[in-house]
Parts: sequence; structure tokens; C-alpha cells
Amino acid sequence: GAVVSQHPSWVICKSGTSVKIECRSLDFQATTMFWYRQFPKQSLMLMATSNEGSKATYEQGVEKDKFLINHASLTLSTLTVTSAHPEDSSFYICSATTSGRVYEQYFGPGTRLTVT
Amino acid sequence: SQQGEEDPQALSIQEGENATMNCSYKTSINNLQWYRQNSGRGLVHLILIRSNEREKHSGRLRVTLDTSKKSSSLLITASRAADTASYFCATDDGYGNKLVFGAGTILRVKS
Repeated sequence: GAVVSQHPSWVICKSGTSVKIECRSLDFQATTMFWYRQFPKQSLMLMATSNEGSKATYEQGVEKDKFLINHASLTLSTLTVTSAHPEDSSFYICSATTSGRVYEQYFGPGTRLTVT
Repeated sequence: SQQGEEDPQALSIQEGENATMNCSYKTSINNLQWYRQNSGRGLVHLILIRSNEREKHSGRLRVTLDTSKKSSSLLITASRAADTASYFCATDDGYGNKLVFGAGTILRVKS
């Protein structure tokens, strides 16, 4: 149980375009979902926290107009990278919790974004 | 921001040897977790240790926690090539709002 999926697993897009990444909790209802970004050989950095039906809470330094997060249901959250640039190329990982406890997060497999 | 440091940054050992990774953090915590990440993949939860625990075991894994020194260690005994991965510690931010990850240790186990 407690499986989180992400789609797509990898995506290549051209600079200036937008790309949407989906995060789904497959067998549980996720009250809270988290989005992380990971650059090569670096750690995970939290970008934002989203609760179903509420606006996402962004970490300091993360542009909310560039990284649009929608948590429309208890099983789906989406991250849209708008007007992508090469520096947005990264590994994006989502996680979900049903308990609301941050130490009980289930992580998705990640999405590799390459902006050319 | 990252909670703390992990050392070593990279570790290369022979199969069968033990691997020890250390993690330090800055603020008071409720618990600390260790995760494994294979290259280009998501995170796998290994073990959680609460702030009132000093040591925990799970199979070939042994985790210690020293809250007075704000540090933790992960020991993998009798390592296997399949243990090759990056290992991260993560703590809550003290308010229960989010996880904060350490910089990670890249472990390579040579067969």
C-alpha cells in the first residue's frame, strides 16, 4: 500500500513552453502533498506544500507564478512549470501523506525535466 | 534550507564491508529518518528514529541518534553491491510542518 505515482517519468520541453507534472496517490487519500526539486548530486529541496482544496504554501525563494501547484482532489496534485527555462531542468519529486504527519510521507518515483 | 550536513559526501567500499554515514542537524527535532535513493529514482524510506530513542535496528541497518550532539549515524553491515545508492537523513523542522533533508552520502559498494 501507500503508492505514489508521477507522470510523466521524464519530459523534454523547449524553452518558453509550459509543462505539467502529475502526482497521484494510488491507494490512499492524500490530505497533504509536497513537491521537491533535486539538482544533480544534490539533496531534495522542498518547493511547496499543498493541501486539498487550498492554495499551496511555497518555500522562500520559489516563484509561485512560475511553479503552479493545484491539489484539486485527495488523490491528485499537479505541478506546472510555466515558461520553462534551461535552469528549471531538474528532478521533481512529489510526496503525499494521509495522516498530515510530515514524517509519514510516501514519495513518488520522480520526474526528470529537461528544458532545451 | 538544509537542516544539516552529512559525511562523508561519498564513500566507496568493498562488498562485505560495513558502511557508516553520519548526519548532523541544527535544530531540535521530533524524529529523524534515513532514506535511500537509487540513481534517478524516488526515495525509499529505511528507518525512523524518534528523539527519545538512542538506537534502532532494521535488518542490516543500525541507526543511532545523539540529540545532545545533534547527530545521527547509519551503519549498513555486510554491504552488498545492491546497496549502492545515495543515502539521506531527514528531520522535521521542529514545527512539524515539513521535512528537511541533509546533503546526502553517495555510497558505492564494489563487488
